[in-house]
Amino acid sequence: AQKITQTQPGMFVQEKEAVTLDCTYDTSDQSYGLFWYKQPSSGEMIFLIYQGSYDEQNATEGRYSLNFQKARKSANLVISASQLGDSAMYFCAMREGPLGTTSGTYKYIFGTGTRLKVLA
Amino acid sequence: SQTIHQWPATLVQPVGSPLSLECTVEGTSNPNLYWYRQAAGRGLQLLFYSIGIDQISSEVPQNLSASRPQDRQFILSSKKLLLSDSGFYLCAWSRTGNEKLFFGSGTQLSVL
Repeated sequence: AQKITQTQPGMFVQEKEAVTLDCTYDTSDQSYGLFWYKQPSSGEMIFLIYQGSYDEQNATEGRYSLNFQKARKSANLVISASQLGDSAMYFCAMREGPLGTTSGTYKYIFGTGTRLKVLA
Repeated sequence: SQTIHQWPATLVQPVGSPLSLECTVEGTSNPNLYWYRQAAGRGLQLLFYSIGIDQISSEVPQNLSASRPQDRQFILSSKKLLLSDSGFYLCAWSRTGNEKLFFGSGTQLSVL
């Protein structure tokens, strides 16, 4: 079963506008973490933002914020004031674990990604 | 500071040939290590993870294997490549107790 679902294969946004990238997840764990990564055309994976399941406030990192709705199991990424350099693939991910008997060791499951194109 | 090195950056191999991709992490000890594959235009698929030397877990049955002969070295191998092994391979690491996953620069593998 799909554990991370990104339903938007592609999105367009006008420069300087805000955009929301959707992500829903499925887990029975009480403790989990949610991430967003950016992958430009170079292929590197750039960490953007993290939200823990027990965090009461939505995470923010500069122009990035994570709209965390626990009951709906959604973790949408909001990019404010889009820039041309924001054009990239965006991945939502969830950490599962712990693995074995080692606490703090997890595996990370990724969605299929959303390709964002910022228009000038 | 910690860094992760992955090589080669690109590789073109004929069907049936062997494969060895290497990943090393510097500046930390006992990292958790991961291999992911990204098919063209697709998401990241977890292939293997390792929480210690010679401790390898496989996520999907396939033509590939992984080994961790040293604490900070993770190797992805195949004895005979298939066309379907083509893709972008990413090595990643995390520190126990730290949430973030750090990625290498990736290897673009084309099997012809």
